[in-house]
Amino acid sequence: NAGVTQTPKFQVLKTGQSMTLQCAQDMNHNSMYWYRQDPGMGLRLIYYSASEGTTDKGEVPNGYNVSRLNKREFSLRLESAAPSQTSVYFCASSGQYEKLFFGSGTQLSVL
Amino acid sequence: SQQGEEDPQALSIQEGENATMNCSYKTSINNLQWYRQNSGRGLVHLILIRSNEREKHSGRLRVTLDTSKKSSSLLITASRAADTASYFCATDAGTGNQFYFGTGTSLTVIP
Repeated sequence: NAGVTQTPKFQVLKTGQSMTLQCAQDMNHNSMYWYRQDPGMGLRLIYYSASEGTTDKGEVPNGYNVSRLNKREFSLRLESAAPSQTSVYFCASSGQYEKLFFGSGTQLSVL
Repeated sequence: SQQGEEDPQALSIQEGENATMNCSYKTSINNLQWYRQNSGRGLVHLILIRSNEREKHSGRLRVTLDTSKKSSSLLITASRAADTASYFCATDAGTGNQFYFGTGTSLTVIP
């Protein structure tokens, strides 16, 4: 049972480049999430998807787009990366009212 | 702004002592959760307490919840060096499918 799998683990981008972070879960969860974690800031919710076909903005959505491709997969896209998006990104999934399961994270640096 | 705030921001104790960290939040909740993050790793779920519960135990962990004060505490008894990590609280802001994290408490247990 793999749980939540996110790729890549590390990425370096130049300002203005685009990239997509992939996330998949095999626990049949309805809800999926993207967070970013900066030093001293804790985790901040970027976007979430309460069910297949729906997505909603979280606390810090600017500069990001998401796609809930199907029940298993939830991707995060940076269209034009900026240095302020240098962070560690975590994908997570959960059942409603239940605990979150996290992926291992993506360390992104934007130069 | 983030839903939860933990205090203290940092805590250093001797092995065998108890560690207490607190979380305050802003809105009504269905549940509150505590997570641990070891340096450079993903988050691991520790315990979930529902809004109609006042106290919950899991091994050496004890969590209390006071919804009238919008606060929770996590007690780790008989701490071990392996408990050294950052601890975060997360609440669902009454939604059941959006989870917001505090900035965390960094715990150091000195052998």
